[in-house]
Amino acid sequence: DAGVTQSPTHLIKTRGQHVTLRCSPISGHKSVSWYQQVLGQGPQFIFQYYEKEERGRGNFPDRFSARQFPNYSSELNVNALLLGDSALYLCASSLGAGGTGELFFGEGSRLTVL
Amino acid sequence: RKEVEQDPGPFNVPEGATVAFNCTYSNSASQSFFWYRQDCRKEPKLLMSVYSSGNEDGRFTAQLNRASQYISLLIRDSKLSDSATYLCVGMEYGNKLVFGAGTILRVKS
Repeated sequence: DAGVTQSPTHLIKTRGQHVTLRCSPISGHKSVSWYQQVLGQGPQFIFQYYEKEERGRGNFPDRFSARQFPNYSSELNVNALLLGDSALYLCASSLGAGGTGELFFGEGSRLTVL
Repeated sequence: RKEVEQDPGPFNVPEGATVAFNCTYSNSASQSFFWYRQDCRKEPKLLMSVYSSGNEDGRFTAQLNRASQYISLLIRDSKLSDSATYLCVGMEYGNKLVFGAGTILRVKS
């Protein structure tokens, strides 16, 4: 069975550009969360979506936005990129909106901002 | 102060050793706790849940002390394949996970 898939796996952008990252959850999972992992740190929560509605938002600026589609896939958008946005962006899926603590992560999209 | 704090290590141990990691959390709203494992340049994966009564899974034992806001992970009989970063994680509302920065373990032959 396919796990969580993310695309692209690697990308390089310059300051001021925008980026769209994509995620397909495990089949049957209705919740998708996004995390940012800077080198040497643990993942930091950005968004959670469940049944196409935003269920949680972390402490990130409005340049970060996301949405979930009817097929439960999701996009993360980041506008006006800054050097500090360089990180591994992880998508995680879970069956429901919460409670179990078990998230299934994709391999991530590694973003480099020059 | 970070919500979840861990000793970054690295912990360098020989095969067969017993090693213990600790973590402290500051947000009393955290409902549940977990240990995740992350291999180099890979995604995090759930290792085990942490309960006040303790939780044992083979060579791994996790413990939660709510009064001290302290979480531990004990690994017995370390294997080379245990080498990884161990992330202490608190769960807030829904499935919002708050990760520590991780503790690096290197098991050497």
